[in-house]
Amino acid sequence: TQLLEQSPQFLSIQEGENLTVYCNSSSVFSSLQWYRQEPGEGPVLLVTVVTGGEVKKLKRLTFQFGDARKDSSLHITAAQTGDTGLYLCAGAGSSNTGKLIFGQGTTLQVKP
Amino acid sequence: KAGVTQTPRYLIKTRGQQVTLSCSPISGHRSVSWYQQTPGQGLQFLFEYFSETQRNKGNFPGRFSGRQFSNSRSEMNVSTLELGDSALYLCASSLDSGSGVSSYNEQFFGPGTRLTVL
Repeated sequence: TQLLEQSPQFLSIQEGENLTVYCNSSSVFSSLQWYRQEPGEGPVLLVTVVTGGEVKKLKRLTFQFGDARKDSSLHITAAQTGDTGLYLCAGAGSSNTGKLIFGQGTTLQVKP
Repeated sequence: KAGVTQTPRYLIKTRGQQVTLSCSPISGHRSVSWYQQTPGQGLQFLFEYFSETQRNKGNFPGRFSGRQFSNSRSEMNVSTLELGDSALYLCASSLDSGSGVSSYNEQFFGPGTRLTVL
């Protein structure tokens, strides 16, 4: 059974601070996605990483896929209150499948 | 392009009843997946439909079923509702042309249906 361990589960920081969220597994994934979800809404796709060692940047967000494609991290630089939300990592065991394995999520609160 | 739509957004049922949820994918998307989200278990995969056929199935009891129509719209049904079925049910669609070209499993979610079982 493929599992994704996401940490930390909760994070409360001040505006302007940096943070990193980790997503780890003992399984290899063909791709890994990061989503952000706001209360009462569905998750919104932020990025997809598919190549081991890949790094993608989205403004102040940096996503990295581990060399062995078993883990990933999300780093936010100079967090803003608008970054508040639930961050989810999700992995796919094979390509062209709609089955994603989700981490438990990281609830991020950025205080002004 | 319109996003994934789900109806209804909110639903209240009592134990023992059944419920049907509907999902319209993004135009051109042929894969539709369903997930259950609860505070304790997070997001769990229910099943995926592609070209009207169930392609993947999660670890849920047979009370949970689904189907997909020729226009890619999908429905899921839960029979004999239990209190533990209270959750946010999310539908996601994915561009899978079926040609073997990877869509990198990118899924686009609808806003969900909040089901409360009393």
